[in-house]
Amino acid sequence: DIVMTQSPDSLAVSLGERATINCKSSQSVLYSSNNRNYLAWFQQKPGHPPKLLIYWASTRESGVPDRFSGSGSGTDFTLTISSLQAEDVAVYYCQQYYNTPFTFGPGTKVDIK
Amino acid sequence: QVQLQESGPGLVKPSETLSLTCTVSGGSISNYYWSWIRQPPGKGLEWIGYIYYSGSTNYNPSLKSRVTMSVDTSKNQLSLKLSSVTAADTAVYYCAREGESSPYFPVDYWGQGTLVTVSS
Repeated sequence: DIVMTQSPDSLAVSLGERATINCKSSQSVLYSSNNRNYLAWFQQKPGHPPKLLIYWASTRESGVPDRFSGSGSGTDFTLTISSLQAEDVAVYYCQQYYNTPFTFGPGTKVDIK
Repeated sequence: QVQLQESGPGLVKPSETLSLTCTVSGGSISNYYWSWIRQPPGKGLEWIGYIYYSGSTNYNPSLKSRVTMSVDTSKNQLSLKLSSVTAADTAVYYCAREGESSPYFPVDYWGQGTLVTVSS
């Protein structure tokens, strides 16, 4: 199985400041034949299902604010919230869909400082 | 707008079989891969497996011996069965849509989830 790790476990950021979450996979999730990273980011608020934010490591899902961005390739990835808003308080998960079993990171909780 | 709704018993006894149904509305089951994902209370997400509308499946090896997924295209429904449950199977169970014609896409639609508690 591909093991996904995330750092930090939690972070508190002031409103309007940048939040950065890291995700690492135990093996590359870059498929060389199409140069795509099979990595997604999800946002989950309490009592709700996860919501897809980013896929192919850096493609924003339709309707997702442009303050959310994804970067990275191979085994190291980053989700950045450029200017944290109150509604961004949530747990964020990365997921690889390169190989089955598809696996998720343990999550990073984002709060307001 | 595709909508998914899980349904089934909220309480299952240890050693029994958990059975859930996911009804898909606003779109067809056909041509898509559909996953079941679970989340123990206060914990992270675990992919249980996926099923194609044709019935082909791929299960997480950690659960493979206990999982059965099926699809009923006439009713636009998916089903999940998990046998010999223990307290460790207590979780919110989600059904979700994967990719069209390939499972190697991220989940873009999720059900609201249903909490299943395993307890005597």
